[in-house]
Amino acid sequence: KNEVEQSPQNLTAQEGEFITINCSYSVGISALHWLQQHPGGGIVSLFMLSSGKKKHGRLIATINIQEKHSSLHITASHPRDSAVYICAVKNRDDKIIFGKGTRLHILP
Amino acid sequence: KAGVTQTPRYLIKTRGQQVTLSCSPISGHRSVSWYQQTPGQGLQFLFEYFSETQRNKGNFPGRFSGRQFSNSRSEMNVSTLELGDSALYLCASSLALARKQYFGPGTRLTVL
Repeated sequence: KNEVEQSPQNLTAQEGEFITINCSYSVGISALHWLQQHPGGGIVSLFMLSSGKKKHGRLIATINIQEKHSSLHITASHPRDSAVYICAVKNRDDKIIFGKGTRLHILP
Repeated sequence: KAGVTQTPRYLIKTRGQQVTLSCSPISGHRSVSWYQQTPGQGLQFLFEYFSETQRNKGNFPGRFSGRQFSNSRSEMNVSTLELGDSALYLCASSLALARKQYFGPGTRLTVL
């Protein structure tokens, strides 16, 4: 079993829909990251969380340390949000472990 | 401000050769991390450097090495290349450890 699990693996939605991507982890962590990777490989760091909730534009990230779970929400989704979203955690040994990613496709 | 740059962008090598990849961080950033991305394994952490010192290392064999220079530029070296080393190698810089990272475009290495 992977130490970082993301769901769903693939998600197709219509423009305007509210999107939720989930990340569960099984290790103690010092921080959790959400990354966005567009076709062609470019990666953007969206959020770094150690507790609570963060918001940036239409993106919201939450983390529940007790339940070892984080969610990334996208409100009013747009085709330009189509990308792979990757969850990564830094464990207590400072090792970074990545999830396999969620491929999101927003249809116009 | 210029972003993170990586050179070369594409590279083809044959098994047994060695390769050196370069990463220039955003001006003022002192931390550089390296990652490997393959279709099978996804993203994996290689190294993290801060102020010319390796602060953290992933689970890769000793064929993978790196260093950081006084101007924060970093290089990674892979010796005795294997087919499985074919991957996208990404570099990311940040102002300091545990700060937001900014990724470069990557170097795509193909080993034949």
